[in-house]
Amino acid sequence: GDSVTQMEGPVTLSEEAFLTINCTYTATGYPSLFWYVQYPGEGLQLLLKATKADDKGSNKGFEATYRKETTSFHLEKGSVQVSDSAVYFCAPTGSGGSNYKLTFGKGTLLTVNP
Amino acid sequence: DAGVIQSPRHEVTEMGQEVTLRCKPISGHDYLFWYRQTMMRGLELLIYFNNNVPIDDSGMPEDRFSAKMPNASFSTLKIQPSEPRDSAVYFCASSGGRASPHEQYFGPGTRLTVT
Repeated sequence: GDSVTQMEGPVTLSEEAFLTINCTYTATGYPSLFWYVQYPGEGLQLLLKATKADDKGSNKGFEATYRKETTSFHLEKGSVQVSDSAVYFCAPTGSGGSNYKLTFGKGTLLTVNP
Repeated sequence: DAGVIQSPRHEVTEMGQEVTLRCKPISGHDYLFWYRQTMMRGLELLIYFNNNVPIDDSGMPEDRFSAKMPNASFSTLKIQPSEPRDSAVYFCASSGGRASPHEQYFGPGTRLTVT
């Protein structure tokens, strides 16, 4: 079945450091890929997305590229801020009839220190 | 738009009591999802609806859980009887309409504590 493997956290960085959170997935066909972010005490918010191979999603300085050959969608940011402290979830869509479901990873807690 | 609205935000109840969680999706969205989030199990999809019809309830833990969507602007998730292991944050999300059906918008969640 569809699944997603996300880098285990927690990740602790200093402000302005480079961030990478790895994500790989297994799916039948060509899913759309999403990163969601959850700030403390809130629901998840869509951060960025990519719908086909080689697409790059970007938002708020974060980027992720849809790599079909490696079935990966790693999240990157060149210079993190304290306000980026949150839990990040990678999520491919389901395949076939469950295309509107999202399979969420376990989440990666990021803490950015000043 | 007000976003997805959930009530109550916090619920504390005793084991054996009935609990009802409520959700109002974003107007115009035709998909509605219920999730449960715990430290141990992460984020789990319980059930989702399309045009008020349940499509996939394979994530509903057991018969104590039931969900309804009587109209396009309201859904409930009921637990009867509740147990301490049901303690979690329950999220409702909606998608569809003019936005991509894959882009889910989450509510703020209901934190349920069963003692």
